[in-house]
Amino acid sequence: QQQVKQSPQSLIVQKGGISIINCAYENTAFDYFPWYQQFPGKGPALLIAIRPDVSEKKEGRFTISFNKSAKQFSLHIMDSQPGDSATYFCAVPNTGTASKLTFGTGTRLQVTL
Amino acid sequence: DAGVTQSPTHLIKTRGQQVTLRCSPKSGHDTVSWYQQALGQGPQFIFQYYEEEERQRGNFPDRFSGHQFPNYSSELNVNALLLGDSALYLCASSLDGDNSPLHFGNGTRLTVT
Repeated sequence: QQQVKQSPQSLIVQKGGISIINCAYENTAFDYFPWYQQFPGKGPALLIAIRPDVSEKKEGRFTISFNKSAKQFSLHIMDSQPGDSATYFCAVPNTGTASKLTFGTGTRLQVTL
Repeated sequence: DAGVTQSPTHLIKTRGQQVTLRCSPKSGHDTVSWYQQALGQGPQFIFQYYEEEERQRGNFPDRFSGHQFPNYSSELNVNALLLGDSALYLCASSLDGDNSPLHFGNGTRLTVT
């Protein structure tokens, strides 16, 4: 059974600061590492994803960094905004496909003014 | 283009009862997965349906069953409800294949009393 460890559990960042969330997994036979963003009362929404043929992927203010040897990947939110306040989940596929995911326990991010 | 829609949004049931939750996938998607999200936790994979058959299953008892219809919509059935079944039930759709990300609905909040 895949284990996914996510940290920190909660994070408070000032507006304009950098938010960093980390994720560690056990198995390496995967090709897809997504981060999901969830607002209260809503389902998770795909934020950004990386494939292990690259070590970093950037989309706007969001960057995923991937360290295959350490079995870790992280989410960096640059210039954090109050609208980024949400719960963030990393996920790892169980069977090498994008559809059966094991999720981390989540990081509740609060961006203050 | 409608995304994933789920019904009902909220449901209250009594212990021992049975419940059916419904999901319509995003237009063009043929694969439906169901996840259970307990309060403060990440979503946990229940099972996945493709071509009207259960293709993969997580660590959930047989009280949890499902169905996929020819139009790709899906139902999740839970029998003999327990208090511990209280959670947000999320439906996610995708295209069959390794490169298709999950698109989640906003879930059904089930409360068992």
